[in-house]
Amino acid sequence: DVKVTQSSRYLVKRTGEKVFLECVQDMDHENMFWYRQDPGLGLRLIYFSYDVKMKEKGDIPEGYSVSREKKERFSLILESASTNQTSMYLCATREGEAQYFGPGTRLLVL
Amino acid sequence: AQKITQTQPGMFVQEKEAVTLDCTYDTSDPSYGLFWYKQPSSGEMIFLIYQGSYDQQNATEGRYSLNFQKARKSANLVISASQLGDSAMYFCAMRADNAGNMLTFGGGTRLMVKP
Repeated sequence: DVKVTQSSRYLVKRTGEKVFLECVQDMDHENMFWYRQDPGLGLRLIYFSYDVKMKEKGDIPEGYSVSREKKERFSLILESASTNQTSMYLCATREGEAQYFGPGTRLLVL
Repeated sequence: AQKITQTQPGMFVQEKEAVTLDCTYDTSDPSYGLFWYKQPSSGEMIFLIYQGSYDQQNATEGRYSLNFQKARKSANLVISASQLGDSAMYFCAMRADNAGNMLTFGGGTRLMVKP
């Protein structure tokens, strides 16, 4: 079974803080993704990575950056958190046609 | 650009009955894939079913089937014999071959199964 884990299920941060969301997968998949999920909007792609140190912008990259130093780990970084970044963040990997998701991190920015 | 539309924000179904969740899509790419995911209240996204644009037959996986009507650009999910555990959010998604790795999701439909 594919396992995708995220470092936190719930996170509360203050405006202006730097926030790191970590994602780890154990199946040696090359492709990894970060989405945010908001009610009524479904999931929107922030960034994805198809190899170590490689990254591509998704639909809504503004205010975010990513890091992929090792194949199994893909980090999402909020350089200066803002209240409009309060959301559910989902990490995923891809094998063939299927994407496998982590449990999500619910981030609240006060 | 790709677009997915799910027009039903919420639906009720009686336990043991069948239910259809609507999904329409828009793309100019002739080669694409359509997906359905389930998201229970626990938050994880569970892959349910996949349909390729060139597949001749509708995809089926257990109690899930995908009613693919290419000319109408619709990819409705049919759940037969609903169970209480089917209560969840359901997302339709699409990946066009010219979009590489990117999945585009609809806004979701919340399904509630009544005992």
